[in-house]
Amino acid sequence: GAVVSQHPSRVICKSGTSVKIECRSLDFQATTMFWYRQFPKQSLMLMATSNEGSKATYEQGVEKDKFLINHASLTLSTLTVTSAHPEDSSFYICSAPGTSGRAGDTQYFGPGTRLTVL
Amino acid sequence: LAKTTQPISMDSYEGQEVNITCSHNNIATNDYITWYQQFPSQGPRFIIQGYKTKVTNEVASLFIPADRKSSTLSLPRVSLSDTAVYYCLVGDPEGYSSASKIIFGSGTRLSIRP
Repeated sequence: GAVVSQHPSRVICKSGTSVKIECRSLDFQATTMFWYRQFPKQSLMLMATSNEGSKATYEQGVEKDKFLINHASLTLSTLTVTSAHPEDSSFYICSAPGTSGRAGDTQYFGPGTRLTVL
Repeated sequence: LAKTTQPISMDSYEGQEVNITCSHNNIATNDYITWYQQFPSQGPRFIIQGYKTKVTNEVASLFIPADRKSSTLSLPRVSLSDTAVYYCLVGDPEGYSSASKIIFGSGTRLSIRP
């Protein structure tokens, strides 16, 4: 089946630094990818939709200047948390839809990235 | 987007059959129902997807009544390794807009005991 990878799997950084998280579709192309954030014991919260060749679409309440998304190719989307603060500590997960490329299609999720900001 | 409602938590024992029901009263004609499983500190994993009646695969069955306003995920003979959070989502695989999105509900935290 389709595989989505994320790198790094976990990262610890100091407050004020920027962190880049990569999401790759390993054996299929994804013109659209989705980024989620998940706090402990809570559900996944959609942050933004990453679109290859165009700007990302952010959900209400998500700061686009803080969470920079770049969909560089048909297999790679990156999320950069700029000037990270402790409240940004969370589990970040990306997904890519199946054959239709639509959000309603089966989603293939990455393994997630645990971000801890000191 | 159809909102889904699931029980917050369920408990069961090894070897039992577990049924988790999801309510999606506003499901649209073209929406499919998809269930995902998530273990702690991992991304969700696809379990099963269906449109109507019954779908079965090697890990689960999905029962969807005729009105499609609910669905039931059935896990046969659960084991300790089935302890996880289960999410029910609805969406149109061929949605008209590529900007359409899927919203996760609270999910059901399933705990399996020896």
